[in-house]
Amino acid sequence: LAKTTQPISMDSYEGQEVNITCSHNNIATNDYITWYQQFPSQGPRFIIQGYKTKVKNEVASLFIPADRKSSTLSLPRVSLSDTAVYYCLVGWNSGGYQKVTFGTGTKLQVIP
Amino acid sequence: EAGVAQSPRYKIIEKRQSVAFWCNPISGHATLYWYQQILGQGPKLLIQFQNNGVVDDSQLPKDRFSAERLKGVDSTLKIQPAKLEDSAVYLCASSLNPHGEHANTGELFFGEGSRLTVL
Repeated sequence: LAKTTQPISMDSYEGQEVNITCSHNNIATNDYITWYQQFPSQGPRFIIQGYKTKVKNEVASLFIPADRKSSTLSLPRVSLSDTAVYYCLVGWNSGGYQKVTFGTGTKLQVIP
Repeated sequence: EAGVAQSPRYKIIEKRQSVAFWCNPISGHATLYWYQQILGQGPKLLIQFQNNGVVDDSQLPKDRFSAERLKGVDSTLKIQPAKLEDSAVYLCASSLNPHGEHANTGELFFGEGSRLTVL
């Protein structure tokens, strides 16, 4: 069971790039890394998922070093609407079923 | 495509009363999850269904919580009797996970949640 550790909170000004790093030291060979975003009064929403190296989509980039013991979510040029809690998850396969565990997340506050 | 539907959105009850939450997952999603999210914390898995079978209920307080997914589609989560510490948002999620080797790559789709206040 790979436990994740990420900063409790971060502040950033509008227009800046934000990098949120997550530590998952005991990640297993077949585990995937996934990031979710949660706004107040809403359920979490999938942002990006990766296994190794770099993954990019229209919303964010995910950097995973070769040892996979950490990952960094990069949000380019954040706006006020990016203020949310960001969760790093490691998903594993247990008997053929997906298992994921949420940590406490990183509360990102974007400042005008 | 319709998302995960949950009801009610809000519920206020007194301790020792009972409450039920309903979830309708995205059509075709075999996996359904119920999470409990206490204010300021991340979601905590209560129970996971694959079709109408329970995959994981290790963190479900079975003395007061129960959940079912009789026909492998809708699900109901019940709390009876409720305690003050049950005040939380109850999130339902579904996933089109393939069962087997690549099961851990599925995206979870969450509903907006049901906020429970126990007085």
